[in-house]
Parts: sequence; C-alpha cells; structure tokens
Amino acid sequence: QQPVQSPQAVILREGEDAVINCSSSKALYSVHWYRQKHGEAPVFLMILLKGGEQKGHEKISASFNEKKQQSSLYLTASQLSYSGTYFCGTEHLDGTSYGKLTFGQGTILTVHP
Amino acid sequence: EAGVAQSPRYKIIEKRQSVAFWCNPISGHATLYWYQQILGQGPKLLIQFQNNGVVDDSQLPKDRFSAERLKGVDSTLKIQPAKLEDSAVYLCASSFTSGRSHEQYFGPGTRLTVT
Repeated sequence: QQPVQSPQAVILREGEDAVINCSSSKALYSVHWYRQKHGEAPVFLMILLKGGEQKGHEKISASFNEKKQQSSLYLTASQLSYSGTYFCGTEHLDGTSYGKLTFGQGTILTVHP
Repeated sequence: EAGVAQSPRYKIIEKRQSVAFWCNPISGHATLYWYQQILGQGPKLLIQFQNNGVVDDSQLPKDRFSAERLKGVDSTLKIQPAKLEDSAVYLCASSFTSGRSHEQYFGPGTRLTVT
C-alpha cells in the first residue's frame, strides 16, 4: 500500500517554512525521507523509527507519529537549494516488507528568491 | 567513496526489442535494489538482492523482466521484449545490509524510452 503525501506541491519564497506529510494505512516501522532534483538520483535525508522519534539536520527536521501512522518533514528558513521533489519511503511491520521501502508519489517543492 | 554506478545513462529502443542495464553498488554494500520510476511518480521496487540471492521480486514482471547479481557485486537488469509502458527511469540502489532501517544510496539511473 503506497503512502500518501501532502501537499502535492508547494511554492515558497526564500526564508519561508514548509511542512510535508506522509501517511500510511498500514502499521509503520520506519519512514525514510529522500530529496530528488530534476534528472538526478534521490538523495537520502533521514530515517525516522517508530516511537515518535524526531530527527533534525540543520534546518530540516522530521517527526514520526506512531499512533497516526504519519511522518512530517519540516523545512525551516528554506533555501534555493531545497527545491526538488521530496519522497517518503515507508517500511512496515508485517513480515513481508522487512527492509523494503514503498515510496509515496512525491511532493514538489519550489523555492523562489 | 565512490557512489552507485549505472550504465547506460540513456537508452532509446523500439517496442519488442531487448535492453539491459548495469549497476555497480557501493563497495561493501551487500544489498542491491532495482527500482522503476515512471515520470511524476515515486520509485517502485522491482527486485532486491542480498549478496547474490533474491530477497524480494514480488513486483518484477517476470514474463519480460529478469535480473541477476553474479558474485554478489554487479547486477544487470534485462527487459525482453520491451513495451511502451516500460518507458521510465531505472534506478539502482544499494545499502550496507538488508536489515531494517538502513539508508539506501541511489545511482544516477538509466532513462529508457520505448518507441
């Protein structure tokens, strides 16, 4: 079951903040976040594990709400380099998806000067 | 550290022809993945290898797609015969292990166009 990301697209000015959500209908073990620029490979950002752990990397952080089976990616004081498509990849608790990621449809983030 | 290498970067073929893609993972990474990414969508896992054994190929269209990873390092993905709907970017990724919650590192991909 593919996770659902929202919003589908967001446009920002430099310095503005954004939140991207990833929701699953199945129990989650972990959520992986990637950013992909046009014509390039997806680049790993961070992993969130079940337990409500929150992680951060400079001005990008994320949270994992186990009860809601949802993760959110927070981009603070956005920079032009943040532009790209953000994907969440979910890993589920059932035995068939050990180590296997199912990716959402992506959220297109555009940052303007 | 060298990243995941893939070739070719671009390929244009006619339907019913065959094509093969090559991937060399990051040194020491035991797990290798092949994904299909259709324009505007997220990557979809086709097959996962642990060393030279298949862990998951449940989404691989086995009537036309095949993959192998001889000696547990390089891998090739083949499509024979190709269909128009196979037009996509084929991404190879690797991770240190197939255990839970290990980040995957992606190669640049091969963009396939089937005409």
